[in-house]
Order: sequence, then C-alpha cells, then structure tokens
Amino acid sequence: DQQVKQNSPSLSVQEGRISILNCDYTNSMFDYFLWYKKYPAEGPTFLISISSIKDKNEDGRFTVFLNKSAKHLSLHIVPSQPGDSAVYFCAAGFYNQGGKLIFGQGTELSVKP
Amino acid sequence: EAGVAQSPRYKIIEKRQSVAFWCNPISGHATLYWYQQILGQGPKLLIQFQNNGVVDDSQLPKDRFSAERLKGVDSTLKIQPAKLEDSAVYLCASRSIAGRIPGAFFGQGTRLTVV
Repeated sequence: DQQVKQNSPSLSVQEGRISILNCDYTNSMFDYFLWYKKYPAEGPTFLISISSIKDKNEDGRFTVFLNKSAKHLSLHIVPSQPGDSAVYFCAAGFYNQGGKLIFGQGTELSVKP
Repeated sequence: EAGVAQSPRYKIIEKRQSVAFWCNPISGHATLYWYQQILGQGPKLLIQFQNNGVVDDSQLPKDRFSAERLKGVDSTLKIQPAKLEDSAVYLCASRSIAGRIPGAFFGQGTRLTVV
C-alpha cells in the first residue's frame, strides 16, 4: 500500500524556469509533509516542510503547496538552477509517531544550463 | 554541528554471509532510525529507537535483521544471513525530540551489494 506517491520518475527543466514536482497521498490524517533533496552518494537533506493545517509554505526559491481536498502537494522551485539537479523525495508523517516518515519514490530533476 | 556518521560507505558480500552497519547520530538526538532504500524507491523505515528502546520495528524482517542502540547513542544494524534482495542503501537518521522541523537528519548511507 503506497501511501505517498510521486508519479513522475524524472523531470527536465531549463535553467531559470520553474520546476514543479508533484506528490499525491492517500491518508488524509497525515499531520505534516516534507520534501527532501538527495544528491548521488549522499543522504537525503531536508528542504522544506508544511503542516497539514497550512496550504502554502515558502523558503527562498522553494515553495510547497498543499491541496488537502485533492490529497496533493507540489514543490515549486523558482528560478531553477543547475545545482538543483538531484532526486527529490516527498515524505509524510504523524505527530504522534516520533518523526517516522513515509516516503514517495522520488523524482529526479535535471536542470539544464 | 557534526552530522550523522555511518560506516562503512560500501559493502559487497555473498548471499548467506553476515554484515553489520554502524551509525553515530547527531549528539543529543534521542530518536534514531534505520531506513532501507532499494534502487528506484523511496526510503522505507526498518526500525525506530527512542533513546535505547525500540519504538517501531514493524517492518524489520526479524528472521534475518537485528538492530540495537547501545546506551542510547550509537546503533548497529545486522543482517544474517543476507539475501540478494537485501541489496540497497541503508540510511541512518536521527532527530531531536524538540527539533524545529518534524523531519530527521540523514547520514550518507551504506550501499550494500549482495552477490
């Protein structure tokens, strides 16, 4: 049972344009969502999070949007830079589970100069 | 602040052999996790510790996998005997109970290849 899904395995974007990464989930009881970024041969690093009671959170070039009715969230990167090329994981969790995360399969973003 | 340390970085073993991974979490982090990431998939939680007690090991294949967290700090994950399908990256992560973000900090992982 895949509770968190990222249906696009890869995305290619031109430098300077917007990157939009999508994530769908099935459990409406999730308390929060996070995005992690992963470079090859490194562990995932935290990028941005959003509480289930919010619909938007912004941090510099990164914005996460949450649409609870559609059980969908997206990560927007504006403007995209070549250094953003990485695998992006969407994850979800519950406050009463001590930080345990359920991850999507990941989307590999390639930003071309 | 030092990050989560893991060793070894890479390991190749034959099926039916044993292997152990080590993790040193960020100082002061009470919660420690081991995740398994198979190629093309997202990380999947194997076991979660709070200090030296197990909080969740529901997805740990207990017939072959074991883990411990000595004195609530370092942790080891062992596989005995290994199967081909255990080939994956094993990620250790830690988190402070009073952390500002709900997520965890990850180590670089150990890439295991079972041949």
